[in-house]
Amino acid sequence: GQQLNQSPQSMFIQEGEDVSMNCTSSSIFNTWLWYKQDPGEGPVLLIALYKAGELTSNGRLTAQFGITRKDSFLNISASIPSDVGIYFCAGQPNSGGSNYKLTFGKGTLLTVNP
Amino acid sequence: GAGVSQSPSNKVTEKGKDVELRCDPISGHTALYWYRQRLGQGLEFLIYFQGNSAPDKSGLPSDRFSAERTGESVSTLTIQRTQQEDSAVYLCASSLSPTLGGEKLFFGSGTQLSVL
Repeated sequence: GQQLNQSPQSMFIQEGEDVSMNCTSSSIFNTWLWYKQDPGEGPVLLIALYKAGELTSNGRLTAQFGITRKDSFLNISASIPSDVGIYFCAGQPNSGGSNYKLTFGKGTLLTVNP
Repeated sequence: GAGVSQSPSNKVTEKGKDVELRCDPISGHTALYWYRQRLGQGLEFLIYFQGNSAPDKSGLPSDRFSAERTGESVSTLTIQRTQQEDSAVYLCASSLSPTLGGEKLFFGSGTQLSVL
């Protein structure tokens, strides 16, 4: 089945630093999604990408949909303590009627030192 | 309700016992999904409901797992004869319609299941 490789697994940074994480896939996705999960909560959508090459920003977050449609990255600029959490990428296929079924990466645990 | 509600938030059970996990989706959302999240892992798809029907159960790990939905609302995930490898966070999500795609999924806070 489809698999997503997300890296790095964890990051420990100082407040104010920029962060970058990425996902690669063995197969093509038509949509890339980035979620953040706080402890004890469900994932919350940060950014959705719909077109190859698309670059989208949401405040201090920027994400890009790779040209090959097999990868995506997420950047966080000027990190703050509340950025702490687990960040997941997810890919959505467009095969027939199964576009509801997301494939998730294993997550990047971000720790921000004040 | 305002969001997807799951209960209980935590469940500790003994190996071999049955458990039921409940999900109350956002009112009016016709699509409902169950995912499993093992420690340090991404989310694994379990089952998808459209209304009260489950057109895709392909992610259920074994026949010990079952789910139902009634009234196009509440869903229950049942795990029979629990095993230690069933320990995980079970997340429920809902969306207005599956055709809107995964980006419109709203997740609950999950049920942390621990099997001793």
